[in-house]
Amino acid sequence: SQKIEQNSEALNIQEGKTATLTCNYTNYSPAYLQWYRQDPGRGPVFLLLIRENEKEKRKERLKVTFDTTLKQSLFHITASQPADSATYLCAPSNNAGNMLTFGGGTRLMVKP
Amino acid sequence: GAVVSQHPSWVICKSGTSVKIECRSLDFQATTMFWYRQFPKQSLMLMATSNEGSKATYEQGVEKDKFLINHASLTLSTLTVTSAHPEDSSFYICSARDRRLAGTNEQYFGPGTRLTVT
Repeated sequence: SQKIEQNSEALNIQEGKTATLTCNYTNYSPAYLQWYRQDPGRGPVFLLLIRENEKEKRKERLKVTFDTTLKQSLFHITASQPADSATYLCAPSNNAGNMLTFGGGTRLMVKP
Repeated sequence: GAVVSQHPSWVICKSGTSVKIECRSLDFQATTMFWYRQFPKQSLMLMATSNEGSKATYEQGVEKDKFLINHASLTLSTLTVTSAHPEDSSFYICSARDRRLAGTNEQYFGPGTRLTVT
């Protein structure tokens, strides 16, 4: 069955450093992979979408990579700030499907 | 743009009663809306896919007679939890796809509704 794995342990980093979050998937060949941010008690907020034919995508301080051979996506936040503290969810999806299946999310804590 | 609202943001109800949650796309039309449920410290789990003008598609294990979904217009879907019980207490989140972005799976999420059944 399809499986999406994100590090369930919280990631603690110092302000100004680069945060790197990992999303691994198995038994799956997604055409897209999305990353969302979720704050406690709020709905997820869309951040970035990367297609299978794109190796890398950037948006301001955010960078996402998509390695279909490794079946992995990395999500980077450069020059991290305490305001970046949140849970980050990855969601691979395919062409035909409408639904999103989310990984368990990784909680990021950026300390000042 | 791409704002999705939910109402109410939180609700407390007694066991056995029904609760209706509304999901609206405020500045775009959504032919498809999705309902998710999230328990504490867990990820979102898709409950059902709601298509405008047709019956909802429920995920395995989700009782369609308990979770009634109506998608009567391109901007509104409702989820009614019938005969709610304490185990239905959860964070319910809807999302909507902009019909203009049908080629991708990009979705916009509502702020969620916290349901507590006593």
